[in-house]
Amino acid sequence: GAGVSQSPRYKVAKRGQDVALRCDPISGHVSLFWYQQALGQGPEFLTYFQNEAQLDKSGLPSDRFFAERPEGSVSTLKIQRTQQEDSAVYLCASSLGTGPGQPQHFGDGTRLSIL
Amino acid sequence: DAKTTQPPSMDCAEGRAANLPCNHSTISGNEYVYWYRQIHSQGPQYIIHGLKNNETNEMASLIITEDRKSSTLILPHATLRDTAVYYCIAALTTSGTYKYIFGTGTRLKVLA
Repeated sequence: GAGVSQSPRYKVAKRGQDVALRCDPISGHVSLFWYQQALGQGPEFLTYFQNEAQLDKSGLPSDRFFAERPEGSVSTLKIQRTQQEDSAVYLCASSLGTGPGQPQHFGDGTRLSIL
Repeated sequence: DAKTTQPPSMDCAEGRAANLPCNHSTISGNEYVYWYRQIHSQGPQYIIHGLKNNETNEMASLIITEDRKSSTLILPHATLRDTAVYYCIAALTTSGTYKYIFGTGTRLKVLA
């Protein structure tokens, strides 16, 4: 079946612009996660949704970052007034259940470059 | 506040077993250990996970020490396609939610 799909695969924006990154999780997956991966580093947690509820947003680096999942399926990560330090790969993952015993399935990410 | 530490790089001869170690001495009793790998420009790919017992699937085996302070991922017959960065991950649970805490990973190079 289809895996986690992210779009666009690449995004270039000028500093100060707003961007929106989309994630289509695996159908029926309850949990959805966003991670940020800087060049040469491991991914870092940003936020977690259980259905439409955002239960953990402790990893969002500033109030310029906003995520939503209004109908409990597709999610959007929005970054306002982008800065150069926002340049990274943004990964989305989903899992079937809500517990730590269920593996997360990752998309291939959106590579964001801020000029 | 990474909970896992891994060697930065390892080499392995093609056809031989690759043994990738991970130290996770600070994880709590209900935190799972996960292994993923990542090939350039792709998202992390799930390999295996475990809590207390050793686990095996079609890709690999996971050996967890009895005190749960360390584990080893074993790729029984490494191929060139196994060249990747391997992450040992603690699945951290807080207040009913959970997230992955990635370490820095081990860059495995399989040599022909």
